[in-house]
Amino acid sequence: EDQVTQSPEALRLQEGESSSLNCSYTVSGLRGLFWYRQDPGKGPEFLFTLYSAGEEKEKERLKATLTKKESFLHITAPKPEDSATYLCAVQAPGGGSQGNLIFGKGTKLSVKP
Amino acid sequence: DTAVSQTPKYLVTQMGNDKSIKCEQNLGHDTMYWYKQDSKKFLKIMFSYNNKELIINETVPNRFSPKSPDKAHLNLHINSLELGDSAVYFCASSPRTGGVSDTQYFGPGTRLTVL
Repeated sequence: EDQVTQSPEALRLQEGESSSLNCSYTVSGLRGLFWYRQDPGKGPEFLFTLYSAGEEKEKERLKATLTKKESFLHITAPKPEDSATYLCAVQAPGGGSQGNLIFGKGTKLSVKP
Repeated sequence: DTAVSQTPKYLVTQMGNDKSIKCEQNLGHDTMYWYKQDSKKFLKIMFSYNNKELIINETVPNRFSPKSPDKAHLNLHINSLELGDSAVYFCASSPRTGGVSDTQYFGPGTRLTVL
């Protein structure tokens, strides 16, 4: 069964304290791995898509990397406005679940000033 | 301009009632989705739909039915609401489906509370 596991469940950082979030997955034939940010009371906001092992993408203080079994979301010198829940999702291969995303449970990040 | 919009934002209703949630996207996308986020914040796919095919997650009760009047709209109709249906429902859309890892863009969510 395709699965996505995120760790830690919650992470508290001081402003400027860099860290990483982990997303491990088991899926046959990965078509894409997605990172989203979700603020309380809002829908997930797209951050990155990664397609193949070794790929990296950056946006401001965030950098996402991908291996054959996991992805990391690195946060460099975070600010309080980076506080949110970060969701990882993989796209299932073809068949009945074509196009659907399988989400992890998320990592809730809190950045204190 | 809002890319994916949902109405209502909040919906409170009694058990046994029938209700609908509306979703509209102005992105020109071909495929739309409904997801359910439970109390533990776990997002799970319910349906994906384009003008050719409706794909239903096998765990979704048949009390839930998507209805699409046109490509830009995918509404969710729920019959005989139960307490366990209380959750946040998200609509999403992507340019296309099938063989391509298209980014899905989400709406703001509808918080459904069944009393």
